[in-house]
Amino acid sequence: QSALTQPASVSGSPGQSITISCTGTSSDVGSYNLVSWYQQHPGKAPKLMIYEGSKRPSGVSNRFSGSKSGNTASLTISGLQAEDEADYYCCSYAGSSAVVFGGGTKLTVL
Amino acid sequence: EVQLVESGGGLVQPGGSLRLSCAASGFTFSSYDMHWVRQATGKGLEWVSAIGTAGDTYYPGSVKGRFTISRENAKNSLYLQMNSLRAGDTAVYYCARGPHGVVTYFDLWGRGTLVTVSS
Repeated sequence: QSALTQPASVSGSPGQSITISCTGTSSDVGSYNLVSWYQQHPGKAPKLMIYEGSKRPSGVSNRFSGSKSGNTASLTISGLQAEDEADYYCCSYAGSSAVVFGGGTKLTVL
Repeated sequence: EVQLVESGGGLVQPGGSLRLSCAASGFTFSSYDMHWVRQATGKGLEWVSAIGTAGDTYYPGSVKGRFTISRENAKNSLYLQMNSLRAGDTAVYYCARGPHGVVTYFDLWGRGTLVTVSS
């Protein structure tokens, strides 16, 4: 499976909203509502932020939301805060018990 | 405390072998599928292997035939046996927990252990 496509970087000012896209194919993102999103601060382990497309784990702020249209999933962060600055990765089930990650997006809070 | 702690990383020569371990605590280990995910320095995440609650195993093409994932529920432990290591296997290896069944997400991660393949 090929990696999912994410923009290398996005930026926004505190209080604004940003959206990170994650483009796959009809074999992964397009076929399953099983996209998850992870936040990773430098030197730290990834943290689950969204699962099954739009569900938030307990403890994750409702400023984070997920959606999907066709072969593209999206992560939206509203009310941007300085602590949101991190790398974000999408991940999708790709069939046959395999998963594929995106290349990652670096979010800068200006 | 619910946590995963990896160990066993280090420096190994190309063609060599290494066995990683992951100790789980604070949850019913046997009820979850478990995974290894790696990350080369400055690069993205790559799923490396999975093992279901029944011991069924899955690998991507990049490591199939070289890596073997296993688990020992009585010891709440996950393992990754890595053989025929290559420079491209150099990465931080994370142990991660997933729900039983279809791989939908990873909700608990360890801090990782660094594997360096170099002569």
